[in-house]
Amino acid sequence: AQTVTQSQPEMSVQEAETVTLSCTYDTSESDYYLFWYKQPPSRQMILVIRQEAYKQQNATENRFSVNFQKAAKSFSLKISDSQLGDAAMYFCAYRSGGATNKLIFGTGTLLAVQP
Amino acid sequence: EAGVAQSPRYKIIEKRQSVAFWCNPISGHATLYWYQQILGQGPKLLIQFQNNGVVDDSQLPKDRFSAERLKGVDSTLKIQPAKLEDSAVYLCASSLALYRGSRYEQYFGPGTRLTVT
Repeated sequence: AQTVTQSQPEMSVQEAETVTLSCTYDTSESDYYLFWYKQPPSRQMILVIRQEAYKQQNATENRFSVNFQKAAKSFSLKISDSQLGDAAMYFCAYRSGGATNKLIFGTGTLLAVQP
Repeated sequence: EAGVAQSPRYKIIEKRQSVAFWCNPISGHATLYWYQQILGQGPKLLIQFQNNGVVDDSQLPKDRFSAERLKGVDSTLKIQPAKLEDSAVYLCASSLALYRGSRYEQYFGPGTRLTVT
């Protein structure tokens, strides 16, 4: 069975600084997708960034980028130029490349942004 | 485009009572998901529908939980009777289809926070 581990329950960053959130996963599959979701206090899950396992290039979305290390099964999220609105719970998620489309989430990292 | 709608946003019930949650997915989305998010944990998939058929309900506690999507659009998740450990946020999500490909991302609703006392 696939598992997702986020070892940082809480992180803090100064506004305009850079922070990296860690995520490791375990799978025996070769075809899969990885995601980072943001969940603000409103509870609505928002997709931040996705990575296809078959792509070697790390995904980027504006201030958000990932460091995908397939052999190490590591998938970290880097937030550059942190903003107050980035404060939220961040979840790493895994999805098999098969037809189920089921998301498996980690336990989350609560990010605080200090002004 | 309207997002995934859920109601109610909050619900407080006593143990052994019943409760129902409603979800309306994004128009045209064939696949609908119900997740349970216990405080301090990530969401866990309870059940997944493709149109009005169940694709995966392996983690649904079927002795007390039930869900339906009769016309392939709206869905209802019911708990009867509720237990204290059912206190959680119940998230509904939808996606265009259930096929291979990351473009079929899941869009989440705001969730329903259930407190069982």
